[in-house]
Amino acid sequence: DADVTQTPRNRITKTGKRIMLECSQTKGHDRMYWYRQDPGLGLRLIYYSFDVKDINKGEISDGYSVSRQAQAKFSLSLESAIPNQTALYFCATSGGSSNQPQHFGDGTRLSIL
Amino acid sequence: AQRVTQPEKLLSVFKGAPVELKCNYSYSGSPELFWYVQYSRQRLQLLLRHISRESIKGFTADLNKGETSFHLKKPFAQEEDSAMYYCALGPSGSARQLTFGSGTQLTVLP
Repeated sequence: DADVTQTPRNRITKTGKRIMLECSQTKGHDRMYWYRQDPGLGLRLIYYSFDVKDINKGEISDGYSVSRQAQAKFSLSLESAIPNQTALYFCATSGGSSNQPQHFGDGTRLSIL
Repeated sequence: AQRVTQPEKLLSVFKGAPVELKCNYSYSGSPELFWYVQYSRQRLQLLLRHISRESIKGFTADLNKGETSFHLKKPFAQEEDSAMYYCALGPSGSARQLTFGSGTQLTVLP
């Protein structure tokens, strides 16, 4: 089945470490997104990409960077992790035409000590 | 700026009772509204969108531009409806940048 896959599913790391979260998709979608989910705050957009050469900051991009290595891959990096980046991170994809819904991965639970 | 407000963090109803999850939005252009649902241990998934005017799993939502609302309703709640529900707003047209509300955790009691 065409899907959105996030790795790792869980990660515990220490303050100051560099972390990379990976997302790959087999849906053939052009558009990919990274969100973080925090209790009481819902999902907030970190970065999004409408194609391989397009990268856009979202609502809360500070402290994060992304790389769109291919149409199917979109990675999120925390260059120097800090505890308030502890959250559940979701990758999503959508088709290029209007009115296409977003399809989400299972999420990566990241804990920074 | 676009904003989505879901005023209830938690909502509990009894099985068979009507349920309404509130969503209000702020957007200066022509919006597209969505409801996403996250069942326990499952990924977030689209429930319905206003342009489809459809009923999914007995849920409906009507876009009220005058009140800037997109409340989700179901006449008879079922236990399997227990989940986290997110209202989301996007600009109409080709851009698919969504703004999500903070979510409402619905619990349907037996």
